[in-house]
Amino acid sequence: GAVVSQHPSWVICKSGTSVKIECRSLDFQATTMFWYRQFPKQSLMLMATSNEGSKATYEQGVEKDKFLINHASLTLSTLTVTSAHPEDSSFYICSARDSGRFGETQYFGPGTRLLVL
Amino acid sequence: AQTVTQSQPEMSVQEAETVTLSCTYDTSESDYYLFWYKQPPSRQMILVIRQEAYKQQNATENRFSVNFQKAAKSFSLKISDSQLGDAAMYFCAYQAGGTSYGKLTFGQGTILTVHP
Repeated sequence: GAVVSQHPSWVICKSGTSVKIECRSLDFQATTMFWYRQFPKQSLMLMATSNEGSKATYEQGVEKDKFLINHASLTLSTLTVTSAHPEDSSFYICSARDSGRFGETQYFGPGTRLLVL
Repeated sequence: AQTVTQSQPEMSVQEAETVTLSCTYDTSESDYYLFWYKQPPSRQMILVIRQEAYKQQNATENRFSVNFQKAAKSFSLKISDSQLGDAAMYFCAYQAGGTSYGKLTFGQGTILTVHP
């Protein structure tokens, strides 16, 4: 299978600061990447779809000015949580779509735990 | 809109035994994909198995196999010879074909416990 990395794996920040999370597809090119948020023992909640070279598409209820997404290359998408607050504390997961070698499949990064104090 | 339902919040199995996790979905599409993902305590999502809707043959991956019933919109996962490392949360997921950009719809998840 394909490999997707995510950095950082853990981040603690003060309220009001911004945090950037990187998602990289290591051995394939991904024109589409996705960002999810997950609370403990719950399912993944899709936040936005990131397409290389174009603006991200946000799910209903997700503040696009708070969660900035940039997909600058075929292997990198970034999520920036701006002016983070304690309610933004969560587990954020990215995934990358691979339409090639093994057929239509989405591969996931290891996730980022964000704690806002 | 498509929906995916996992009706078993928790399941348990004895080591070396077989367990089946249920999943149903609702769609009006004819072209789609179905997946099972595993999320162990590390929280890394791991692809277990995938099925294209146009294929009648059930997918298998070593000890993992599916029972894909397209007319009934059912997609269950069978784990044979269960191992302690199979303990995880399992998610069933649906992806429409065509120009859907690969967006996945997940079920609620099933927590699988494996007893030694």
